[in-house]
Amino acid sequence: QVQLVESGGGVVQPGRSLRLSCAASGFTFSSYALHWVRQAPGKGLEWLAVISYDGSNKYYADSVKGRFTISRDNSKNTLYLQMNSLRAEDTAVYYCARDLARCTSPACPFDHWGQGTLVTVSS
Amino acid sequence: DIQMTQSPSTLSASVGDRVTITCRASQSVSSWLAWYQQKSGKAPKLLIYKASSLESGVPSRFSGSGSGTEFTLTISSLQPDDFATYYCQQYNTYWTFGQGTKVEIK
Repeated sequence: QVQLVESGGGVVQPGRSLRLSCAASGFTFSSYALHWVRQAPGKGLEWLAVISYDGSNKYYADSVKGRFTISRDNSKNTLYLQMNSLRAEDTAVYYCARDLARCTSPACPFDHWGQGTLVTVSS
Repeated sequence: DIQMTQSPSTLSASVGDRVTITCRASQSVSSWLAWYQQKSGKAPKLLIYKASSLESGVPSRFSGSGSGTEFTLTISSLQPDDFATYYCQQYNTYWTFGQGTKVEIK
């Protein structure tokens, strides 16, 4: 079955960096676009970034553009999120998510999500 | 940027009730609209995509409708497992979520 497992969260000081990973299994990883979505404590969902199936296209939300970088290693079935210049407002649970299978629209909703990893930015 | 606004923010209902949640987009998103259910401490679960298409495995008591800027999620007969927070998401231009609607026990 499809599995997405995030790791790399933790407590980090403001201004520092952190890299999240999302290990995938149960599907052809190299065929799907993948996303990062976050949820601040007690708040709603915020889409952050997408990377195309082959890594050639990447798009970001304005809130993280220039600070966060999405990447993937199709040989390792792993998605990454490099987070630099972290701020208190980046404190959230970070989810990776997969495009809906059989999706034929220009963009797709997300049919599988990881369990999330908590990032806390605090001094 | 496309803004998504859900109403109400909180909804109190009883088992067996018919429940409707509304989602409005700041500009047309055609039918590129999804609905998710999220329970406390868990990842969101896709319920509906393309405004009205039911995701595999989702009970038929869930249905979606609408196009353009106004959409609804309806639960025909609320079950105990349905008490959760529901989010709409547009995927016409990048991706944007509504702020969520919490369905709680009356």
